[in-house]
Order: sequence, then C-alpha cells, then structure tokens
Amino acid sequence: EAEVAQSPRYKITEKSQAVAFWCDPISGHATLYWYRQILGQGPELLVQFQDESVVDDSQLPKDRFSAERLKGVDSTLKIQPAELGDSAMYLCASKRESNYNEQFFGPGTRLTVL
Amino acid sequence: DAKTTQPPSMDCAEGRAANLPCNHSTISGNEYVYWYRQIHSQGPQYIIHGLKNNETNEMASLIITEDRKSSTLILPHATLRDTAVYYCIVLTTGNQFYFGTGTSLTVIP
Repeated sequence: EAEVAQSPRYKITEKSQAVAFWCDPISGHATLYWYRQILGQGPELLVQFQDESVVDDSQLPKDRFSAERLKGVDSTLKIQPAELGDSAMYLCASKRESNYNEQFFGPGTRLTVL
Repeated sequence: DAKTTQPPSMDCAEGRAANLPCNHSTISGNEYVYWYRQIHSQGPQYIIHGLKNNETNEMASLIITEDRKSSTLILPHATLRDTAVYYCIVLTTGNQFYFGTGTSLTVIP
C-alpha cells in the first residue's frame, strides 16, 4: 500500500540553526499539506499546495519558515533560524484530486530545538 | 471555520463499544465530518467520514444527528490497539482540516 514518506524521522538541532524536512507524497496526489503538531495539541495546518502552487500559507510564519514543491511532487519545509518554540512534530499529508477528500498522513518528523 | 468540541479523555473496557461524541454546532450544510485517530508518535489515520447519513465501515460507525450539530463515532468492540487520540474534524470548503485537541481514548483490559 502506498504511503507518504517523510525524512528525517527525528531531528535535534540548536537554536539559530537551519533545518529542513522532506516529504514524498503518494504518487498521483496533487494536494500536499504540511502541519505542525505541538505536544498535547492537534495538528495545525501550515501550508497547502496544489501541484507546485501554494494554495494557502496564511498560518506559515514566513519570517523563518519556507516551503516549496518545485516539481509538484515532493516537498521541503525549511526553518531558518530555528527557535526553541519550534520543537514539535511536523506532519506531511497528501490527497488525490477527487470528491473523496481523505488525507493520507506520513509518520512525521520530530524536531527538538535545544 | 467550523469548530469541533470533544471530551478530552474517555475510558472503555476491552471488548465493549466505545462511543466518542463530538459537537460541531456551526457546521455548514455542505461540510463533511471526518474522524481520524493518532496512535502515539504516528501520523493520523483515517477512520470514517460522513455528511448527513450514518456511515459504517470495517473500522467504525458514524452517527450524525439530523440537525448535523453533533456526531458519535462508535468502535463496536474496542481492543487495546484502539487506544489513541481521536479527532473529529470538519472539512472546510477549502479542503482543509482543522483539528481540535481530540479525545484520548484508553481501552482498559
């Protein structure tokens, strides 16, 4: 069964450093989402892509976060510089274009900023 | 944006039915209700979704009230592996999920 792939699974960094997370959605899924999940809370949408275009990045802290999906397939989320408050799980999800709106989630990247 | 309200935690005896409630009083007529669950340190997993009618699949049943202001997820025979956080989500017209804090379900042996 096809799955959303994410790497790395775990990342420890020091504040002020740059970090990057990678997501490979299920083949053929045009819509891709990045979420941030702080411990004890539900996932919070950061950015939504339709193919290579950003549909919604209103919740993305653009002073330090950036996201791209250059070829409309895999995607990278970057934080520069990382802050202590960025410690969280970063989840990627994808869905195909249809009336069926189920999002498929990857295993996430657990970021710890020291 | 339609919001959902769920109890923060629930317990259920193994083998019994688990009934997880959700209030979504501001839901619009064309907005679907989705349920996902998240087992510790994993990504959320789809369970079921519905619009107006009750739905059933191999994992669960979804009961939506006639006024659509609330719903209940039913796990008919809970097992220890069903211990997880369950999220009730309203899908917006922009195809976005807004998660709340969910219900932490503990299945007790």
